[in-house]
Amino acid sequence: QSALTQPASVSGSPGQSITISCTGTSKDVGVDNSVSWYQQHPGKAPKLIIYESTNRPSGVSDRFSASKFGNTASLTISGLQAEDEADYYCCSYININALQVLFGGGTKLTVL
Amino acid sequence: EVQLVESGGRLVQPGGSLRLSCAASGFTFSGSAMHWVRQAPGKGLEWVGRIRSKGNNYATSYGASVKDRFTLSRDDSKNMAYLHMNSLKIEDTAVYYCARRYCSNGRCYFDYWGQGTLVTVSS
Repeated sequence: QSALTQPASVSGSPGQSITISCTGTSKDVGVDNSVSWYQQHPGKAPKLIIYESTNRPSGVSDRFSASKFGNTASLTISGLQAEDEADYYCCSYININALQVLFGGGTKLTVL
Repeated sequence: EVQLVESGGRLVQPGGSLRLSCAASGFTFSGSAMHWVRQAPGKGLEWVGRIRSKGNNYATSYGASVKDRFTLSRDDSKNMAYLHMNSLKIEDTAVYYCARRYCSNGRCYFDYWGQGTLVTVSS
């Protein structure tokens, strides 16, 4: 099973908004609210920032929001801050006969 | 406080074996599915596999690149999960994370991650 498709990099200036897309298929991203998003700073473990496609865990800034339409999910970060510079990964899964968890290839966010 | 602590990573020769451990605390380990995710140097996240709870018969699933070489196990009495790696290849070099996968109404996500342990496969 191929990984989900994300842009390799995005950039924005402080205060601006950026959007990262994540494209899959009708068997994974397109299924219900199956997408989660993770933020990873260099040398650190991934951190959950979005679950069930659009929900934020407690403690995650409301500058992070997400949506899903068909087989594409999107993560939007508004009011960019220097601390948002990190790698971002989307994640979904297929559960036909056996579970397969899929990650996007990751997007490097640079805050200019 | 939830904690996941991996250990066991080290330098190993191609074709060798290794067992990684994940010590869990702060949540009901016995009722949780535990997953392993790896990240090769400079690369993205790759799902390795998962082991379900006793109530789900300790069912396992594996990623295509490790299937038939890696095996997952757990010891609920010790709150420990294990990743047994055989026939290691150079491309298995990565930081290995254990993660708890939480599911609600059939929707699942990784809510807690360990800090990772580095496995280097090299001669």
